[in-house]
Amino acid sequence: QSVLTQPPSASGTPGQRVTISCSGSSSNIGSNTVNWYQQLPGTAPKLLIYSNNQRPSGVPDRFSGSKSGTSASLAISGLQSEDEADYYCAAWDDSLNVYVVFGGGTKLTVL
Amino acid sequence: EVQLVESGGGLVKPGGSLRLSCAASGFTFSNAWMSWVRQAPGKGLEWVGRIKSKTDGGTTDYAAPVKGRFTISRDDSKNTLYLQMNSLKTEDTAVYYCTTALRQDIWVVPAAMDYWGQGTLVTVSS
Repeated sequence: QSVLTQPPSASGTPGQRVTISCSGSSSNIGSNTVNWYQQLPGTAPKLLIYSNNQRPSGVPDRFSGSKSGTSASLAISGLQSEDEADYYCAAWDDSLNVYVVFGGGTKLTVL
Repeated sequence: EVQLVESGGGLVKPGGSLRLSCAASGFTFSNAWMSWVRQAPGKGLEWVGRIKSKTDGGTTDYAAPVKGRFTISRDDSKNTLYLQMNSLKTEDTAVYYCTTALRQDIWVVPAAMDYWGQGTLVTVSS
């Protein structure tokens, strides 16, 4: 059972806009920034969004992040087949001895 | 180019020990905060622990499931990160990734890991 809650799956057709949600609590998302990772099949995760809505160099602006209260969202516009991957949210947790928490991951399928 | 190369994974019996290494290059390793993240087969990501740079105290923090059994250390002269794993359990079976913490100016962005190694598989089984 992951501390952050994500839907296990999401899907969309090429060109569509899809969003993936991430729900937490006051000790993690509610008081800290959210990061998103993309994991393509058989590869290591890659940082996609940090500090709620910032993109590292090289990440297309089709990817965007937002946060409100104890929830966050990742939006992907102009969906492409190469976006098919697992997506994870992560945040620092201020609870005693918890530190970094991840969501359970969302498998995005491009139909 | 930043490179993180993990090694040391393999098959070990429950109760056994294993030491993972992560050779770093392409950045100033001594300034970096480093973390280990693991992923059990077919499962999600789980943070294992981290070590700060020596200039920031060099302290370590661990996730509850591994605290007291795992130890993270670093050798800045060799640009290498280590994960000593003792009293291994079957639930420790996973791919273990070495990661760097993202810095923005002098600040480390919480829970943001900008570079990842390719991972090394640890299998704990009798």
